[in-house]
Amino acid sequence: GESVGLHLPTLSVQEGDNSIINCAYSNSASDYFIWYKQESGKGPQFIIDIRSNMDKRQGQRVTVLLNKTVKHLSLQIAATQPGDSAVYFCAEIRRTGGGNKLTFGTGTQLKVEL
Amino acid sequence: EPEVTQTPSHQVTQMGQEVILRCVPISNHLYFYWYRQILGQKVEFLVSFYNNEISEKSEIFDDQFSVERPDGSNFTLKIRSTKLEDSAMYFCASSPRDGRNSPLHFGNGTRLTVT
Repeated sequence: GESVGLHLPTLSVQEGDNSIINCAYSNSASDYFIWYKQESGKGPQFIIDIRSNMDKRQGQRVTVLLNKTVKHLSLQIAATQPGDSAVYFCAEIRRTGGGNKLTFGTGTQLKVEL
Repeated sequence: EPEVTQTPSHQVTQMGQEVILRCVPISNHLYFYWYRQILGQKVEFLVSFYNNEISEKSEIFDDQFSVERPDGSNFTLKIRSTKLEDSAMYFCASSPRDGRNSPLHFGNGTRLTVT
């Protein structure tokens, strides 16, 4: 069935390096994508979002890239810090008949090594 | 920065008992949601709520579940007769506009343990 999923369950990076977390989606009708960060014992925290009419959006130390041709989304974190260690979820809003159902991917654990 | 707050942080209940999970969404938000996350799994949609009615619900949200906005600040999720498989983290979220036009802001969750 249609789903949003992540390629790598765990990503380990050295402090100061750049991180790239990938996500594949299968519903070409999805028009809004969001990256969330979830630290242990906390709820998902909004990082950055992007609409399907864009292919890149930048925030503070983060960049989201959207490739609609191959239905791929990535989150780039510059100069990764220990505080970036968390599980990262991509999520999509599907253009269903109504409502606001946010569908999450399975998550990637980012581990930052000192 | 405004936050979504949830109480209690941890709820232990016996199978068959009723539980009410409480949430205070961000004050100027109009759309409210409940999601759940079974340990080690992804976050799953339960229900969305707008203008004092359910706008969408998932297959998980059966007759045992209900939501209510009893006053201008609280948003509750009730499970009438809990089952072991209801054990999960339950997250409340809110957004100022339709979820297709603004990101959802989540609380830190209530861990429900059904024994």
